[in-house]
Amino acid sequence: KAGVTQTPRYLIKTRGQQVTLSCSPISGHRSVSWYQQTPGQGLQFLFEYFSETQRNKGNFPGRFSGRQFSNSRSEMNVSTLELGDSALYLCASRGQNTGELFFGEGSRLTVL
Amino acid sequence: KNQVEQSPQSLIILEGKNCTLQCNYTVSPFSNLRWYKQDTGRGPVSLTIMTFSENTKSNGRYTATLDADTKQSSLHITASQLSDSASYICVVSASNNNDMRFGAGTRLTVKP
Repeated sequence: KAGVTQTPRYLIKTRGQQVTLSCSPISGHRSVSWYQQTPGQGLQFLFEYFSETQRNKGNFPGRFSGRQFSNSRSEMNVSTLELGDSALYLCASRGQNTGELFFGEGSRLTVL
Repeated sequence: KNQVEQSPQSLIILEGKNCTLQCNYTVSPFSNLRWYKQDTGRGPVSLTIMTFSENTKSNGRYTATLDADTKQSSLHITASQLSDSASYICVVSASNNNDMRFGAGTRLTVKP
């Protein structure tokens, strides 16, 4: 059973640009959540999608958005990038029975 | 405010030694607590999950304890190995399982 797949793994952008990150959950998982991780800050919850609907949202500005498709794949978008957006962005899919989170390897975003 | 506090923030030990990481939480109503291991630049991987009725759970050299009365958990690592060098993250779920709170993690370094 394939794990959670995130693309791209690494990317470099400049301030003001936008970026789209992709996440394919484990087959059969309908919940996908996104997290931002910066050194010393730990995992900060961005949002969670379930069956194409946003179920929960963290305290991030509107520049951060996401969506989920009918096949449960999810994308997150960050517009008007700022230097502080440089981080590891992690996606996780959740098993319905146990509620356990299964994380992808992350997308490392660097904003110059 | 529901919070998860981990200590110490970082820890350095010699290979072969034991160590204990702490997690205190105020999440209520409590559902379960998970410990994740995150290698540098990778996604977190689940080590253990503990529910209200469980006091101790082991996974190889990792043993987690839970005191639901004092809202404390610990992760004990026995006979540490170089590969144990990682961040260990405590995640506490509220009873609806949709509200997960993340600790900032403990950065463990095992030296030869």
